[in-house]
This record gives sequence, structure tokens and C-alpha cells, in this order.
Amino acid sequence: QSALTQPRSVSGSPGQSVTISCTGTSSDVGGYNFVSWYQHHPGKAPKLMIYDVAKRPSGVPDRFSGSKSGNTASLSISGLQAEDEADYYCCSYAGDYTYGVLFGGGTKLTVL
Amino acid sequence: QLQLQESGPGLVKPSETLSLSCTVSGGSITSTNHYWGWIRQPPGNGLEWIGSIYYSGTTYYNPSLKSRVTISVDTSTNQFSLILSSVPAADTAVYYCARGGGVTYSDFDYWGQGSLVTVSS
Repeated sequence: QSALTQPRSVSGSPGQSVTISCTGTSSDVGGYNFVSWYQHHPGKAPKLMIYDVAKRPSGVPDRFSGSKSGNTASLSISGLQAEDEADYYCCSYAGDYTYGVLFGGGTKLTVL
Repeated sequence: QLQLQESGPGLVKPSETLSLSCTVSGGSITSTNHYWGWIRQPPGNGLEWIGSIYYSGTTYYNPSLKSRVTISVDTSTNQFSLILSSVPAADTAVYYCARGGGVTYSDFDYWGQGSLVTVSS
């Protein structure tokens, strides 16, 4: 099973909004409502930003939101801030006895 | 506050065995509805799930690594461990341990800082 497909990079100016897509198949993203998103600053531990497609853990700003349509999940970030510049990874449950957990290839967000 | 910390050798020779441990502090590894997982990131590449374990011993593995991976748990020391056998250079990566929660084990809400393991002679 290939990793989930994400754009390699996206960019936006401070205050703007960006959306990062994550495309899988009906066996992972499309088959379950268990998509999560992680923010990863190099050299640090990844941080959970969204889980179960659209839920935000405590402490994550509401500028971050998640959604899903068919086999594609999306992470939207509004009101871009300099500290949002990081790598973002999507992740999907893919069945206990098939592929387990799949990550996307990652998207580099640049705040211009 | 829950904390996870990886430990183990930073250098492993090709064809040998990689062993890492993860110590959980600030909480119990036997907490219900939580799995404990290993994820890695090769240099310049993305994240890859290796496998996850429940405190009862139930395990799930990445099928691409399953033949070489063993994840175990020691509830007496609040630790879980990763063994990866017959390593090639391609297993060079930062290895993270993490807590997986939610309905499945794929929501990793607490992570260790990561441990760089280099496979080289």
C-alpha cells in the first residue's frame, strides 16, 4: 500500500488561508472516519492537530480545521501565522489486519 | 503530563538487530483505550508507522515490516520496546514512540522526542 498522497508544498502570506489535501482510497481515508493531521517542526516531536477527521485536541487553535470528502481529506489553516510554517502529515487508519496505519508523504507549508 | 522517552543504541551494523525502548512517565501504560506505537522518519522522507501494542500484548504491525518487527510491553516498568532484525542501511531513521488513542490506535497524541538510529558498518 502506498502512502497517502499529499502535495509536496503549499505556501501563503500571513493572515491568508491554505488547504492541504490528502488522497487515499476507499480502504483507508474513504473507508473510515479516522483521519488525523500532524504538525512537525524539524528536530521536534510531531504534534497532533486534528483527529477523527475534524476534531481538535485541547489547545489547538480553531484556525486549524479538518474535513473529508470521499477518499480525500483536507486540513485548512486560516489566519496564517509565521509559526505555522512546518511540515504537515496526514494519517489514516486502514484496517487492523490489512495496512494498519498509513501516513501521507508530508507537505511543507511556507509562510511567505 | 504524560511523557515518553526513547532509549537505545544510536549505531547498528547492517544485518544486525535494532533495539529501542520507550519509557512512559506521568501515566500508566495500562491505561484503557490507549495503544503504544512506533513511528519512524528516514532522513529526508516522511513518517512511517511501524506498529502498535496494547498493554495486554495485542499487536498490529506494518505489513511491509512485519517479518522483521517485534513490539513488546513490560507493564512492571511502564516501558514498551521495538526490535527490528536484519537491518539494512535503509532502516536508518529517527525512531519515535507515541501513544495512540481514540477508537483505533491511529491518533498519536503524545510523542517522544525521537531517537536517531544509524545503520552503518
